[in-house]
Amino acid sequence: SQTIHQWPATLVQPVGSPLSLECTVEGTSNPNLYWYRQAAGRGLQLLFYSVGIGQISSEVPQNLSASRPQDRQFILSSKKLLLSDSGFYLCAWKKAGSNYGYTFGSGTRLTVV
Amino acid sequence: AQKVTQAQTEISVVEKEDVTLDCVYETRDTTYYLFWYKQPPSGELVFLIRRNSFDEQNEISGRYSWNFQKSTSSFNFTITASQVVDSAVYFCALSESTGTASKLTFGTGTRLQVTL
Repeated sequence: SQTIHQWPATLVQPVGSPLSLECTVEGTSNPNLYWYRQAAGRGLQLLFYSVGIGQISSEVPQNLSASRPQDRQFILSSKKLLLSDSGFYLCAWKKAGSNYGYTFGSGTRLTVV
Repeated sequence: AQKVTQAQTEISVVEKEDVTLDCVYETRDTTYYLFWYKQPPSGELVFLIRRNSFDEQNEISGRYSWNFQKSTSSFNFTITASQVVDSAVYFCALSESTGTASKLTFGTGTRLQVTL
C-alpha cells in the first residue's frame, strides 16, 4: 500500500534561518507531488507541484523553493525564513494521469520567530 | 483559472441541529472532480467525498449528504443532527487538469463549531 511521510511535525525557526522540509512517498512510482501551505486561519494555497524528477512548477512567487531529487522525494526549502513563512505545510501525492486520489501527509507546523 | 468559493467563514450550531456548508465553483473544464475535506484541530486533512462532473446524483453517507448541482455550480454539504465531534474546518476543493498534472484548488474553508 502507498504511504506518505512528512517531517518534521513541528518546527520553530528564527527569522533568517534556512528551512528544509521533506516529504517521501512509498509504494508507488512517478507520483505527482504537491506542497500546500495554510497560513493561520486561512485556506490551503498550492505552492509547488512536480510531475517528475527535477520538474518543479511554482504557483506563487515567494521566499520558498522546491526540489525533487528522487522520484518519491519532494523537498521544500528556504535560504532565509521570513515571519510570513509561518504556517502549516502539507505535502500531497496522487497517481500521475489521475484527477483524483490525492493523499495528504500529516503536515508540518512551522513557526518563524 | 479555477476558483472555489466558500462564503461561510464560520458557522456555530447547537448539537443536533442540521447545518449546510456551501460551496460554489468556477471552471472551464468539462471534466472535473469536486471534493470535501475535513480538517480537525490536529491539522490533517480527512477526505470525505469525491464527485465527478458527470455524476449529479446526490449522495448520503450516514449523517452526511452532498448536493451537487451543475446548473448553479454548487456542491453543498449537509450534516444532519450535528455532533460536537463534527467541529472542524471543512474545505471544498476542485481538481483541474493542467497539462500533465492536475491541481487541487481549495476554498478558504468553513469553520464549524458545534456546541452542547
